[in-house]
Amino acid sequence: NAGVTQTPKFRVLKTGQSMTLLCAQDMNHEYMYWYRQDPGMGLRLIHYSVGEGTTAKGEVPDGYNVSRLKKQNFLLGLESAAPSQTSVYFCASSSRTDDYEQYFGPGTRLTVT
Amino acid sequence: AQTVTQSQPEMSVQEAETVTLSCTYDTSESDYYLFWYKQPPSRQMILVIRQEAYKQQNATENRFSVNFQKAAKSFSLKISDSQLGDAAMYFCAYRSQFTSGTYKYIFGTGTRLKVLA
Repeated sequence: NAGVTQTPKFRVLKTGQSMTLLCAQDMNHEYMYWYRQDPGMGLRLIHYSVGEGTTAKGEVPDGYNVSRLKKQNFLLGLESAAPSQTSVYFCASSSRTDDYEQYFGPGTRLTVT
Repeated sequence: AQTVTQSQPEMSVQEAETVTLSCTYDTSESDYYLFWYKQPPSRQMILVIRQEAYKQQNATENRFSVNFQKAAKSFSLKISDSQLGDAAMYFCAYRSQFTSGTYKYIFGTGTRLKVLA
């Protein structure tokens, strides 16, 4: 099992550009999450999904969109990147059968110039 | 709303010594879980230990143990016989009750632990 994987690992964008971060899990987990990690702020929840085809807003959703067309994938999109979105992005997944323990991906470091 | 506070941005410990990382939280819920995660330089988030609020006994995982004080809303992590591999950022996290179809995790701001040889 690869667990939770994220693509890409690093990316540099110019202000106004768009991109999509891909999160994939091979554990058949129902729940998936996107967090951002900023210095001195801990991890903050951007969006989450409780199942295929469903998404919901977390604590800091502005400027991001998500989609969960397949159970194993959770996409995070930035339509018009801003310097304030420079961060490390983590994806996580969890399952009822594992008492909702969160399994994290390795993170994506995004820099917006 | 729940909050998690880690008041120590950085801590240092000598190899083989013991160190305690502090965490306090605020909640009105009676049933919840608390976690400590380790984030080494690789950035991978690794679960260290978890504590169910309804359990009075403190959780222990090898060299890692917690001091859970529910009334004081305190959840500290003790690392015994510190090793160089323990050097990392440590995050305290609170898992709220099941609402809006899922559990939500609230993370503290982290404590960077340095282990001195």
